[in-house]
Amino acid sequence: GAVVSQHPSRVICKSGTSVKIECRSLDFQATTMFWYRQFPKKSLMLMATSNEGSKATYEQGVEKDKFLINHASLTLSTLTVTSAHPEDSSFYICSARKKADRYNEQFFGPGTRLTVL
Amino acid sequence: QKEVEQDPGPLSVPEGAIVSLNCTYSNSAFQYFMWYRQYSRKGPELLMYTYSSGNKEDGRFTAQVDKSSKYISLFIRDSQPSDSATYLCAMSAGSSASKIIFGSGTRLSIRP
Repeated sequence: GAVVSQHPSRVICKSGTSVKIECRSLDFQATTMFWYRQFPKKSLMLMATSNEGSKATYEQGVEKDKFLINHASLTLSTLTVTSAHPEDSSFYICSARKKADRYNEQFFGPGTRLTVL
Repeated sequence: QKEVEQDPGPLSVPEGAIVSLNCTYSNSAFQYFMWYRQYSRKGPELLMYTYSSGNKEDGRFTAQVDKSSKYISLFIRDSQPSDSATYLCAMSAGSSASKIIFGSGTRLSIRP
């Protein structure tokens, strides 16, 4: 199997607080994890690519100081939304690619819904 | 021009009908083509994965890729209400550094 989990599934916070979202590959090692953002009825927008043990690569227009990514192990990546504001409210989805996958396949987590009041 | 174009729908068909979902793309480097299904408030799940041109069948689902026309399709036979979801096409060039580019998704509703 290739199962990816995310925690929490839903979070509501006050404006100005920081929120950490965890992404775990449960039954495989993931050399690369991806973080996406999805607005209602819109497609997935890639925010950043994180490789285990190295700094994340951010997409154009994504503030790296606002969206901190840590990929500390082959099974865990975290996204921290710092000083969250209402415009950061969205559905955040991670995906992971297997260590030995030559087909570039990504396995997605169930998503985290962030609501900033 | 977007790299991947997909009609957002919504598409509503009666139960049992054949559904055809399509995407066009502009990047000739794409070699891997995928279809994901996403239920409301859930993460996408991979339905079909195709390399290069050709057809691939899995149960009620058939994926077609025509690289000469830069056009991919997903057919769903004997559609069921449980097939109601958003379907996202996705593609990549395939190297380990390649990103997956997603279409905007087509919302499909199967009427009982």
